[in-house]
Amino acid sequence: TAGITQAPTSQILAAGRSMTLRCTQDMRHNAMYWYRQDLGLGLRLIHYSNTAGTTGKGEVPDGYSVSRANTDDFPLTLASAVPSQTSVYFCASMAGQGATGELFFGEGSRLTVL
Amino acid sequence: GQNIDQPTEMTATEGAIVQINCTYQTSGFNGLFWYQQHAGEAPTFLSYNVLDGLEEKGRFSSFLSRSKGYSYLLLKELQMKDSASYLCAVPDRDYQLIWGAGTKLIIKP
Repeated sequence: TAGITQAPTSQILAAGRSMTLRCTQDMRHNAMYWYRQDLGLGLRLIHYSNTAGTTGKGEVPDGYSVSRANTDDFPLTLASAVPSQTSVYFCASMAGQGATGELFFGEGSRLTVL
Repeated sequence: GQNIDQPTEMTATEGAIVQINCTYQTSGFNGLFWYQQHAGEAPTFLSYNVLDGLEEKGRFSSFLSRSKGYSYLLLKELQMKDSASYLCAVPDRDYQLIWGAGTKLIIKP
């Protein structure tokens, strides 16, 4: 089983450009999440979706947007990238809701904004 | 507010035992998670504790004391492949996980 697939694996982006990080899961999980991971900091939640058709803001949502048109896909868009958005981005999913279940992570997307 | 503290880095010897501590402050409590993350890879689930006490899972055990806001991960019979970062996380009041910065464990032969 593929689990969660993220694309691209890595990307270098000029400041001011837009970018969409793709995330697809084949486990039929309800909840999906986008995190960023920076050196010396814990994973920080950007946006989440408890079920298809709904989204919510996490700890660091500014500069990012998401959509959840169906159960499988949860893309993350940077409308106008800035260097502070240089990070490793992880998409994750969970079978239920409520953060009491196991999170399954994608392999990550390393983004560099110059 | 919520806060999670873990040591930044620990070193241990192959075959030995190591204990990685995590202290947390939350409004309400809905369990505590431990994840393992090898360098350059995604985190993977290790354990979830919601009740006080020790839960053993092979070479890895996780302990929780809710009254002390304290947990630890115990790794026995250390192997080189255990070199990784270990992440502690707790749900906040909205049930979204708050993560510690992680403890980088270095195993030496």
